Amino acid sequence: QLQLQESGPGLVKPSETLSLTCSVSGASININNYYWGWIRQPPGKGLEWVGSIYYSGNTYYNPSLKSRVTISVDTSKNQFSLKLSSVTAADTAVYYCARHGRRSSTSLNWFDPWGQGTLVTVSS
Amino acid sequence: EIVLTQSPGTLSLSPGERATLSCRASQSVSSSYLAWYQQKPGQAPRLLIYGASSRSTGIPDRFSGSGSGTDFTLTISRLEPEDFAVYFCQQYDSSPYTFGQGTKLEIK
Repeated sequence: QLQLQESGPGLVKPSETLSLTCSVSGASININNYYWGWIRQPPGKGLEWVGSIYYSGNTYYNPSLKSRVTISVDTSKNQFSLKLSSVTAADTAVYYCARHGRRSSTSLNWFDPWGQGTLVTVSS
Repeated sequence: EIVLTQSPGTLSLSPGERATLSCRASQSVSSSYLAWYQQKPGQAPRLLIYGASSRSTGIPDRFSGSGSGTDFTLTISRLEPEDFAVYFCQQYDSSPYTFGQGTKLEIK
């Protein structure tokens, strides 16, 4: 059964870089037709797609965050990672990783399954 | 960017009743590229519906999705106690992939 688990610091200082890793178990990350994505949810608010990566390293990012986001993949560890630079309090959120279906070379689908999520608080 | 607006914000119903949740898109969502998720407190979202009307694996048939273009609906035919949660819609017609703000389904 495919499972995803987020890990990383729960507290990040303003202006620093948020770093999270998603470990995938139960299936290889080297699989055709699936990207691997990050979604975040500020406390009490809705969901925002951050970006997604293919096992080859190809990425898609939300334009609203693109200048600050880097997503990378480590196929040897079956993991992918998120880095968000120059964080502010507005980046405080639960960050989820999820499998993101691929519909074509330029289009993605829904997210399933999701990891449990990890709360990252930006505060000094 | 396609903006999704869900209504109502909160829906108060009793077990056994029928729930109808709406998701309206700011522009047409082609080929019904719309999904619905359920989220319970402290849990990750769970995929319910994709392609506007196809149930995900293991989802009970009391959940159904319909709609096309800009108007989509999630219907729960007879509410069970475990159905009270927050529901989100998501469009995957075009990037950035966006979500609605959610509808909270609460026990009346």
